[in-house]
Amino acid sequence: GNSVTQMEGPVTLSEEAFLTINCTYTATGYPSLFWYVQYPGEGLQLLLKATKADDKGSNKGFEATYRKETTSFHLEKGSVQVSDSAVYFCALSSYNQGGKLIFGQGTELSVKP
Amino acid sequence: SAVISQKPSRDICQRGTSLTIQCQVDSQVTMMFWYRQQPGQSLTLIATANQGSEATYESGFVIDKFPISRPNLTFSTLTVSNMSPEDSSIYLCSVGGARVSDTGELFFGEGSRLTVL
Repeated sequence: GNSVTQMEGPVTLSEEAFLTINCTYTATGYPSLFWYVQYPGEGLQLLLKATKADDKGSNKGFEATYRKETTSFHLEKGSVQVSDSAVYFCALSSYNQGGKLIFGQGTELSVKP
Repeated sequence: SAVISQKPSRDICQRGTSLTIQCQVDSQVTMMFWYRQQPGQSLTLIATANQGSEATYESGFVIDKFPISRPNLTFSTLTVSNMSPEDSSIYLCSVGGARVSDTGELFFGEGSRLTVL
């Protein structure tokens, strides 16, 4: 079945550091890939997405590229801020699975001033 | 996109009781799902709420424990029955489909945080 694997957290960085959160997936066909973010005490928000191989999703300085050859969708940001502290979830969706999202385990990011 | 309202936002419940969570969407949506997020964990799909028919449950979840209704394209309920402390979680309603997005993402409600004593 389809699955998503994320690097374990928590990840602690200093402000302005470079961020990478690894995400790999297993899926049949051509899934769409997503990064969601959950800020403390808030609901789940879509951060970025990519629907086909080599697509790059970007938002708020975050980027992720859909790499079919390595089945990966790593999240990157060049310079993190304290306000980026949150839990980040990688997810995939496949229409042959009825449109449901399958989530990775989540990676907690803590950015220190 | 879609705006999703869930009620209650949080509740404290006694062991053995049942609680019904409501999910209201501001527009008609094709797909509605219920997820559970246990403390410090990721999101696990409970079931797909099907309009006008029985929900489709994921492995490990059963209708007797989590009955779901979906009478129309904008509303659904999830009941957590005969609760135990292990049911303490955030329960999230999510929606998707061609009416709200053409790229497959789901939109989530704020969640209902249940604590079972």
